[in-house]
Amino acid sequence: GNSVTQMEGPVTLSEEAFLTINCTYTATGYPSLFWYVQYPGEGLQLLLKATKADDKGSNKGFEATYRKETTSFHLEKGSVQVSDSAVYFCALSDRGGSNYKLTFGKGTLLTVNP
Amino acid sequence: DAGVTQSPTHLIKTRGQHVTLRCSPISGHKSVSWYQQVLGQGPQFIFQYYEKEERGRGNFPDRFSARQFPNYSSELNVNALLLGDSALYLCASSLGGPNSGNTIYFGEGSWLTVV
Repeated sequence: GNSVTQMEGPVTLSEEAFLTINCTYTATGYPSLFWYVQYPGEGLQLLLKATKADDKGSNKGFEATYRKETTSFHLEKGSVQVSDSAVYFCALSDRGGSNYKLTFGKGTLLTVNP
Repeated sequence: DAGVTQSPTHLIKTRGQHVTLRCSPISGHKSVSWYQQVLGQGPQFIFQYYEKEERGRGNFPDRFSARQFPNYSSELNVNALLLGDSALYLCASSLGGPNSGNTIYFGEGSWLTVV
């Protein structure tokens, strides 16, 4: 079956530090890959997505590249801000190009200190 | 415009009881999905409904059921509650069905505690 493995948290960084959150996946076929973010007291929001190999998703300074050869979709940001403090979830859908029946990782709590 | 709205936001039930959770999708959205998020874990897919028909079901027991109404709102029902059903239940809506590729939007969830 499908699965997503994220790096264990929590992750604590100082403002302007570089962020990487690792994500690897197991899936049949050609999945679509997503990063969702959950800010305190809010619902899940789509941060970025990639629907085929070598695609790069980007939003709000965050980036992730779909690497089929390493089955990875690592999230990066060059300079984090306090407002980026949240829980980040990596997810996949095994229906290409779709957001159907998402499989999520366990989430990584990021805290950014001023 | 209103986002995905869910009710109630918090509730406490006793083992063996039944619960109904409600979801109103974003106006114009025809697809609703339900996810269960146990504390410390990522959300797990329960159901997807599109145009009032079930289009997908996750690995949950038959105690879990759902339906979608003509106005595209949805209910999730859980019978014979167990302590392990304690979780945040998330509803998500999207414009199109499972193959549409549309972005899905999540509500803030309903916190269920079973005692």
